[in-house]
Amino acid sequence: QQPVQSPQAVILREGEDAVINCSSSKALYSVHWYRQKHGEAPVFLMILLKGGEQKGHEKISASFNEKKQQSSLYLTASQLSYSGTYFCVGNAGNNRKLIWGLGTSLAVNP
Amino acid sequence: DTAVSQTPKYLVTQMGNDKSIKCEQNLGHDTMYWYKQDSKKFLKIMFSYNNKELIINETVPNRFSPKSPDKAHLNLHINSLELGDSAVYFCASSQAGTGNTIYFGEGSWLTVV
Repeated sequence: QQPVQSPQAVILREGEDAVINCSSSKALYSVHWYRQKHGEAPVFLMILLKGGEQKGHEKISASFNEKKQQSSLYLTASQLSYSGTYFCVGNAGNNRKLIWGLGTSLAVNP
Repeated sequence: DTAVSQTPKYLVTQMGNDKSIKCEQNLGHDTMYWYKQDSKKFLKIMFSYNNKELIINETVPNRFSPKSPDKAHLNLHINSLELGDSAVYFCASSQAGTGNTIYFGEGSWLTVV
């Protein structure tokens, strides 16, 4: 089952915060977050493996709930460079198959 | 020092032609992938190879044939190209046991006219 991301799109002004949510109908072995800038390849941001885990990457952080069915990506004090499409990717336990969400388009304007 | 490299980057071709996209990774990974990204940005896995063995073969027309001569290379051959094949094709690699973090090539922009 494909992870469901929300919102589908968000527009921010520089300095504002945003949260992107990702939910799965069943518990995930792990969840990955990727960002894809326009015209470029997706780039890995972080992976969460444990229920209740929180992880940070500069001003971008993520959480994974205890049941391992929901993850959220937090972007604080957004910068222009944060613009792009953010993908949540779930690993349902089959170590060889990752299932990609449809992506959340984030635009940060001056 | 490109980790995952694919060629060509841009390809414009006529319907009915046959074309190939080549991919190489120098990360020592054991798993390689082909993804297709359409105009709506949806990333769809097409194939995955682990140590030259096909392990994922999603519902893809059999006009698409992957070939992995060794674990560092995964090529994609497409026969009888159709307009709907126009998309960006990403090659990627990962190492099993490391959470499957995927490293992508720059993409190959295929336009069928």
